[in-house]
Parts: sequence; structure tokens; C-alpha cells
Amino acid sequence: DSGVTQTPKHLITATGQRVTLRCSPRSGDLSVYWYQQSLDQGLQFLIQYYNGEERAKGNILERFSAQQFPDLHSELNLSSLELGDSALYFCASSVGGVGNYEQYFGPGTRLTVT
Amino acid sequence: DAKTTQPPSMDCAEGRAANLPCNHSTISGNEYVYWYRQIHSQGPQYIIHGLKNNETNEMASLIITEDRKSSTLILPHATLRDTAVYYCIVRFGVSWGTGNQFYFGTGTSLTVIP
Repeated sequence: DSGVTQTPKHLITATGQRVTLRCSPRSGDLSVYWYQQSLDQGLQFLIQYYNGEERAKGNILERFSAQQFPDLHSELNLSSLELGDSALYFCASSVGGVGNYEQYFGPGTRLTVT
Repeated sequence: DAKTTQPPSMDCAEGRAANLPCNHSTISGNEYVYWYRQIHSQGPQYIIHGLKNNETNEMASLIITEDRKSSTLILPHATLRDTAVYYCIVRFGVSWGTGNQFYFGTGTSLTVIP
């Protein structure tokens, strides 16, 4: 158990819909990262937040957005969903925002868009 | 981030040492080597990381060559539960401008055989 929690575990929704994925980092960690893993793309970095502020963006679509709240949990919002958005979404956390800190990953949310 | 090259798959007999190689010939002086593994569709699990000295923890050992162009992850006594995809990642000593994310490649699929 990494200490990072993600909800829900599974999500099935239809094209065009909007969903919210939630992540709680390990106690004491200030950074949260979101990654997407699909069959054809592997693990792709989406976005990083540190202590409530966005710090880095990766391959995140404009239809996707995220935020980190004062209690440090984070939410990833996916809108206008397409079939290709079906994937595993992982959240990770680290104690620092920049530097060589290991990241600890949650169990993921499996999103299926039908 | 420096690119890494790993064999796509390897087998190892249960109880024997598993030696997973990684080439990172373009690594620069301040880039760390990280190893993660992913068991089935679970969240990636941190194993170990290092800069230039060999490192050991309760899970594994990391051997980095003197020129730092390659490294080997050693699982001393492989068990069936070590069957997973192992990712070797090298990452720059990051700054706020570049973020702290990891770039995962395709990894090595290790199968531990009874």
C-alpha cells in the first residue's frame, strides 16, 4: 500500500459525458501528479501540482483539467469524453515539488467510455 | 530526459537472481537513474534510484557503471510475485520550470518461472 488513494476504482460512462477522478496523496506529500495509461500509449504524464499550484503540464488535452485543493487532495476532470479516453488514470505523490524525490503511485481509476 | 533502452522481455527462474539491464548512454552528470515496476495493471511501484554510487535497499540493488552509461537492477532472489514490467527512467535534476514528472518507456517484462 503506497498511501495514495484514488476513487473511484472503476468508472463506466458514455461518450460526451464528464467525469471527475479523485486522488488523496500520502500524508505529508505536497506534490500530486496525474498519469494516463492506455494500451497503445503506455504511461503518459498529464499534469503536476505542488501545494495547490500547477507546476508542469505534459500531454494533457484541453478537455481535461485538474486542481489541487487546500487539503492537498486533487481532482482530474475529464469532459466531452471520447472512446479514446478509455484508460487507466494514476495519481502519484511526492514530498517535494522539484528535485529527485521518488513518486508513490495510487492504485488507479479504470475509465471505460462506451 | 535521457533516453533509456531495455530488453522487452526476460525470464528468470524462481529463487535465482534477476539482473535487468538498462542502457542510458546519453545520460548527463546530474541525471538520476530510477527503477519502478508495474505488476499487471496496478500502480507503478518505486524500487530504487541512484546517481553514481551503487545502491541497495530491501527490495533490490542498483549497479551503475563507472561511466554511468548503463545500469543493472538486481533482484537477489526472484519470486513469482516479482513478475512485472520493470521501468528504468533517467531524470534530470529538475527545476521548477521543467517539473518533476517521470517519462516511462516500454520497460522490460520480467517473468519469474517456477
